[in-house]
Amino acid sequence: GAVVSQHPSWVICKSGTSVKIECRSLDFQATTMFWYRQFPKQSLMLMATSNEGSKATYEQGVEKDKFLINHASLTLSTLTVTSAHPEDSSFYICSAGREETQYFGPGTRLLVL
Amino acid sequence: DAKTTQPPSMDCAEGRAANLPCNHSTISGNEYVYWYRQIHSQGPQYIIHGLKNNETNEMASLIITEDRKSSTLILPHATLRDTAVYYCIVSPWGSNYQLIWGAGTKLIIKP
Repeated sequence: GAVVSQHPSWVICKSGTSVKIECRSLDFQATTMFWYRQFPKQSLMLMATSNEGSKATYEQGVEKDKFLINHASLTLSTLTVTSAHPEDSSFYICSAGREETQYFGPGTRLLVL
Repeated sequence: DAKTTQPPSMDCAEGRAANLPCNHSTISGNEYVYWYRQIHSQGPQYIIHGLKNNETNEMASLIITEDRKSSTLILPHATLRDTAVYYCIVSPWGSNYQLIWGAGTKLIIKP
């Protein structure tokens, strides 16, 4: 149990386009999901906290208009990178909470050309 | 900032026990110790967590000192697949709290 999936696993896009990443909790419901970003050789950095049915809470320095988060159901949260630029290239990871633990998706690698 | 301190890297021979230390001297009474690991280019994997008692599951054992200021993760029989970055995180109980990630320990299992 406690499986979290992400789709797509990797994506390459042109600068200026938008990319949507899905995060699903497959065998449990999660009222809270988290979105992280990880640059090469660095640790995970929290971008935002996504709560089902309400607006996401963004960390300082993360542009909410650029990284749109929607948590429409208890099993699905989406992150849309709008007008992506090469500096947005990174490894994006989501997590979902179950009982007292967070479980992580496999990550989505984004490359913006 | 992360509330934990871990050695940046460690080596361990395959088949031996890997003991990964973590210092968390400022841990609060309501905070648990969580351990995750991240294998290259994958999402983090939950390993184990505890409050003050020692814990064991199918993956590892967690030893927490009596004053709770440090802990040790033990992988009893390390395999090559255990090569990963191991993160020790302290966080309040519950899945709705953000996890603050430090640099972790790069564990390399050698044949």
